[in-house]
Amino acid sequence: NAGVTQTPKFRVLKTGQSMTLLCAQDMNHEYMYWYRQDPGMGLRLIHYSVGEGTTAKGEVPDGYNVSRLKKQNFLLGLESAAPSQTSVYFCASSPSGGASETQYFGPGTRLLVL
Amino acid sequence: GQNIDQPTEMTATEGAIVQINCTYQTSGFNGLFWYQQHAGEAPTFLSYNVLDGLEEKGRFSSFLSRSKGYSYLLLKELQMKDSASYLCAVTDSNYQLIWGAGTKLIIKP
Repeated sequence: NAGVTQTPKFRVLKTGQSMTLLCAQDMNHEYMYWYRQDPGMGLRLIHYSVGEGTTAKGEVPDGYNVSRLKKQNFLLGLESAAPSQTSVYFCASSPSGGASETQYFGPGTRLLVL
Repeated sequence: GQNIDQPTEMTATEGAIVQINCTYQTSGFNGLFWYQQHAGEAPTFLSYNVLDGLEEKGRFSSFLSRSKGYSYLLLKELQMKDSASYLCAVTDSNYQLIWGAGTKLIIKP
């Protein structure tokens, strides 16, 4: 099993450009999450999904959109990238969102917006 | 607001013991996690505490005091491979994970 995979691993964008980050998991998990990680700050939740066809906003959703058309995939879109969106983006999944459940993380996507 | 505090950086010697503290103030509490994150890699699960007391797992132990809003991660017999960041996270009343900024642990020979 590959677990949680993310593409691309690294990307450079110019301000105003758009892109989509892809997350895939092969563990049949219901819950999926998108986080960003910035120096000196904890992981911050952008959006999450509790199942196929559903999405919800997290702590920092502005400037991002998501879709969960298939259970195994969770896409994060940036419509018009800004330098403030320079960050490392992690996708994670968990079986059913229970309080004690471990979240399994992908390897991350490093995004630089110039 | 919700807040999780951890020291930014700690240094320890190979073979020694180190304790990494975490204090939290959250809206509700449904458990506390510790994750390990090596530089440039994804966080990986270390431990979960929901009841007060000490949970031991090999060289790593985690302690929780809910009344004090306090946890620590204890690493024994430190190895060079333990050099990493250690992230404390609390599940709040909405079952969302609130993350601390992490403690970077540097192990010296």
